[in-house]
Amino acid sequence: KQEVTQIPAALSVPEGENLVLNCSFTDSAIYNLQWFRQDPGKGLTSLLLIQSSQREQTSGRLNASLDKSSGRSTLYIAASQPGDSATYLCAPRGASGSRLTFGEGTQLTVNP
Amino acid sequence: ETGVTQTPRHLVMGMTNKKSLKCEQHLGHNAMYWYKQSAKKPLELMFVYNFKEQTENNSVPSRFSPECPNSSHLFLHLHTLQPEDSALYLCASSLNPRGGTGELFFGEGSRLTVL
Repeated sequence: KQEVTQIPAALSVPEGENLVLNCSFTDSAIYNLQWFRQDPGKGLTSLLLIQSSQREQTSGRLNASLDKSSGRSTLYIAASQPGDSATYLCAPRGASGSRLTFGEGTQLTVNP
Repeated sequence: ETGVTQTPRHLVMGMTNKKSLKCEQHLGHNAMYWYKQSAKKPLELMFVYNFKEQTENNSVPSRFSPECPNSSHLFLHLHTLQPEDSALYLCASSLNPRGGTGELFFGEGSRLTVL
């Protein structure tokens, strides 16, 4: 059974900092991995999807990397802004294309 | 018009009521999902439908009854719920992972409170 851990659970930084969110998973046989953000009381917004054959994906100030063999993914946020404040969730999908397993998320606060 | 639309956004019901949550996707996807998000817990997968057929039921109690009449619509029928069923219910859709990336897109959720 896949287990996903996200560290840290919460993070508070001043505006402008570059930061790294960590995700580890126990079963490295994954199909892909998706990063989401969730604002309080809202649904999840897809940020990046990395296929199992890829090492990284970039979108604007966001860069996600994947090291499948070690069961790790990181989300790098450059030049953080208050609007980045949200909970960030990672979710690997099983190798057969089956279910996503979610971590508990990292709650990020970017202070002006 | 958002890609995945859920109604109602908020629902309060008594334990003896019957209500339904509705989800509609306009993305041309063929897989739809129900997730439950409770406070301080990771998202829990409830049901998966691929091409209108239920392919996963994650040991969900029978007081939750899903219905998928076509690839664009998904319902969650609720009856005789318990207060511990109060949560945010999230609908998602994707292309079937075997035919595409399987990238998941979520609706805004239906906040359910059971009194």
